[in-house]
Amino acid sequence: DIVLTQSPALAVSLGQRATISCKTNQNVDYYGNSYMHWYQQKPGQQPKLLIYLASNLASGIPARFSGRGSGTDFTLTIDPVEADDTATYYCQQSRNLPWTFGGGTKLELK
Amino acid sequence: EVQLQESGPGLVKPSQSLSLTCSVTGYSITSNYWGWIRKFPGNKMEWMGYISYSGSTSYNPSLKSRISITRDTSKNQFFLQLNSVTTEDTATYYCARIATGVMDAWGQGASVTVSS
Repeated sequence: DIVLTQSPALAVSLGQRATISCKTNQNVDYYGNSYMHWYQQKPGQQPKLLIYLASNLASGIPARFSGRGSGTDFTLTIDPVEADDTATYYCQQSRNLPWTFGGGTKLELK
Repeated sequence: EVQLQESGPGLVKPSQSLSLTCSVTGYSITSNYWGWIRKFPGNKMEWMGYISYSGSTSYNPSLKSRISITRDTSKNQFFLQLNSVTTEDTATYYCARIATGVMDAWGQGASVTVSS
């Protein structure tokens, strides 16, 4: 299985930039696409898709969110951070079955 | 707009079967893929399996032969059955629409506790 590693928590100030990383133990690129996706989950809610194929913004997601990376290293950036962004963020790969998730990064405000 | 809603018992006894239903509105389950994902206490997420637009299935090997995903296209529903549950299966279970491995729409989740 492909293992995805995320830092457990990140604290940033309102209006600043948050950068959340996700590292994989295998390359998740295939034929020009990086099969890495990002989700946001707030307490008591279902996960919401933010970014798909590493850098594509999902429908209805504000442009403050962006994703980049390839191969085994990926980042989700929120700039600027707003109060409503406090949540847990998960990366997920679909390069190989079984699809796997990172452990999640909890974003908190300083 | 697609909407998904999980339903089923919130409490299951050890060694019994867990059964959940995902009711889909606004989109036909004869298109795309439809899956089950669970989130354990402590935040770990696990993809469990999916059923395709044609009815074919794929399961996480970690669940071995305990899992079955089926569907009723006439009701636009798909189902999860997990056999021989233990306390380790206590989790919140989500159904989701899947497109090229991307889970782009999720249900609200069903909390299931395995306990005697």
